[in-house]
Amino acid sequence: SAVISQKPSRDICQRGTSLTIQCQVDSQVTMMFWYRQQPGQSLTLIATANQGSEATYESGFVIDKFPISRPNLTFSTLTVSNMSPEDSSIYLCSAEAGGGGELFFGEGSRLTVL
Amino acid sequence: GEDVEQSLFLSVREGDSSVINCTYTDSSSTYLYWYKQEPGAGLQLLTYIFSNMDMKQDQRLTVLLNKKDKHLSLRIADTQTGDSAIYFCAESGDSGYALNFGKGTSLLVTP
Repeated sequence: SAVISQKPSRDICQRGTSLTIQCQVDSQVTMMFWYRQQPGQSLTLIATANQGSEATYESGFVIDKFPISRPNLTFSTLTVSNMSPEDSSIYLCSAEAGGGGELFFGEGSRLTVL
Repeated sequence: GEDVEQSLFLSVREGDSSVINCTYTDSSSTYLYWYKQEPGAGLQLLTYIFSNMDMKQDQRLTVLLNKKDKHLSLRIADTQTGDSAIYFCAESGDSGYALNFGKGTSLLVTP
């Protein structure tokens, strides 16, 4: 299995500011992903964080709003830029580990934008 | 994206079995997953099944897959109050990795 740590675990942010969420995996992984879980909703994939190249974004998500870094095989960051109250969500980091299709998630970062 | 559908709510009594059902539409799914989310927590991977299997058992958990009907179920034997949580079904599509989630089934276990 993989242990995935995210920080911050929660934050309250002001409209118009940006926040960077960090994701650390305890082992080297090929695939890392960022998801959003809006209040009372399911999870929506934001992007795949590619090591050494630009992230691959899903429909409805753009790099200017959600820039992602993946400097190595154990770490990634997601920035939520120019936040509005609609960005209030839980943001979850995920990684594939074990080689058998097991996908693990971090505890999530709960952002509230005022 | 492809649809993953789950019933939204299930209530069972402690000690009974729970069965949570899920249907999906992507016939190219490689893996199908069940995750558990307790209040205020992240997602815990409970179990997953490869698409060429029809059953997987892991202690109190049994996963059944009917690939023809695109139907996945999770059975929890001897359900306990600590099993109360939201259970998400997810499928991987043909990528094997990025997941498409259902809306989650809220399981309430009563004494």
